[in-house]
Amino acid sequence: DTEVTQTPKHLVMGMTNKKSLKCEQHMGHRAMYWYKQKAKKPPELMFVYSYEKLSINESVPSRFSPECPNSSLLNLHLHALQPEDSALYLCASSPTGRPYEQYFGPGTRLTVT
Amino acid sequence: DQQVKQNSPSLSVQEGRISILNCDYTNSMFDYFLWYKKYPAEGPTFLISISSIKDKNEDGRFTVFLNKSAKHLSLHIVPSQPGDSAVYFCAASVAGSARQLTFGSGTQLTVLP
Repeated sequence: DTEVTQTPKHLVMGMTNKKSLKCEQHMGHRAMYWYKQKAKKPPELMFVYSYEKLSINESVPSRFSPECPNSSLLNLHLHALQPEDSALYLCASSPTGRPYEQYFGPGTRLTVT
Repeated sequence: DQQVKQNSPSLSVQEGRISILNCDYTNSMFDYFLWYKKYPAEGPTFLISISSIKDKNEDGRFTVFLNKSAKHLSLHIVPSQPGDSAVYFCAASVAGSARQLTFGSGTQLTVLP
């Protein structure tokens, strides 16, 4: 299994809603990442988890809350988002020994209304 | 300040010919470089990488060249195929940076049949 899967594919939420994005990989990777990508821009790193521990938070607002319940799963909890948070949210993982080779999921297209 | 730049937003090439995608960087601390390919509605897919101790890495139809003195790398695709049509992102990383990738803005490659 060489896939990173993400659910849902699309999400529309209001500014007062609480929702979660999910990411799963079964490649045995111990580093997992959340990125945000706006249209025609490169992915921007949000969070890095290494061995289920948060190792990097790129000054992301607290309305985004990551969680890594186990080595295969990564969640991103969303609350009180703003319309400017609408973007493609990408999850990635990387293998031990090849740390710079990140494998991306298809992303969740989030629209905040 | 963009540390990784892809100055050509788009490139069109005839099928069977060579595609050359270029990338420049400004941070001399970068020591690992990667190319990713992205189809619409999918996450980026890792293609090929190169360490700063090398100047060339080849994998099938894909070759990456690194010119450290010019802070320039390029991706050559030979021969180009219509299925290669996608957005190509160049990315760079610094050793000890907890595996953070800095992405360029991408080049849309179109291979014409």
